[in-house]
Amino acid sequence: SYELTQPPSVSVSPGQTARITCSGDALPKKYAYWYQQKSGQAPVLVIYEDSKRPSGIPERFSGSSSGTMATLTISGAQVEDEADYYCYSTDSSGNHGVFGGGTKLTVL
Amino acid sequence: QVQLVESGGGVVQPGGSLRLSCAASGFTFSSYGMHWVRQAPGKGLEWVAFIRYDGSNKYYADSVKGRFTISRDNSKNTLYLQMNSLRAEDTAVYYCAKDVEMATTFIDYWGQGTLVTVSS
Repeated sequence: SYELTQPPSVSVSPGQTARITCSGDALPKKYAYWYQQKSGQAPVLVIYEDSKRPSGIPERFSGSSSGTMATLTISGAQVEDEADYYCYSTDSSGNHGVFGGGTKLTVL
Repeated sequence: QVQLVESGGGVVQPGGSLRLSCAASGFTFSSYGMHWVRQAPGKGLEWVAFIRYDGSNKYYADSVKGRFTISRDNSKNTLYLQMNSLRAEDTAVYYCAKDVEMATTFIDYWGQGTLVTVSS
């Protein structure tokens, strides 16, 4: 079955840039979405269609995709950005969703 | 605004059944595909199932195919997940989630989740 691969953890100091990657064979043809999940809460969409930001999401969140890798970038990460981040896409059929394993972002 | 409220979770014995519901409001339910996603304790998100806006097509993760059934009642703005032959590994918080359009398989909004515990 199709898989998306993320690093288990990323750690930065406040104000630094955090980059979280997501690799998958179908990403050249399928969008990547990114969700933020804080402890005990439901996920929240932070990036859609590789690089678009929903209303209400801070400008420090951005996304990009090239070849088989999508990247979520948090420029000037803040303590409140500490959370688990998940990439999401679909398999080549477009009928099955797939999540990456998640990346725990630590900002301290 | 979009609201998704899950219900029906609880404790069930292995081999048992449970039906989850998701009440939707704040958008035209009949125009959007819908998903179920689950998260086992301390684990990552797992996509479970998807149903098109009109219920014409349904898709499942291999881990639940043949045991779970997704359905919807557009007249009641409600999504369902019938879970049969439950196993310990089905223990998770189950989230209802809204598709970005009729049937893209991408998710924009989530409910708060309902906990299902499979244990004897």
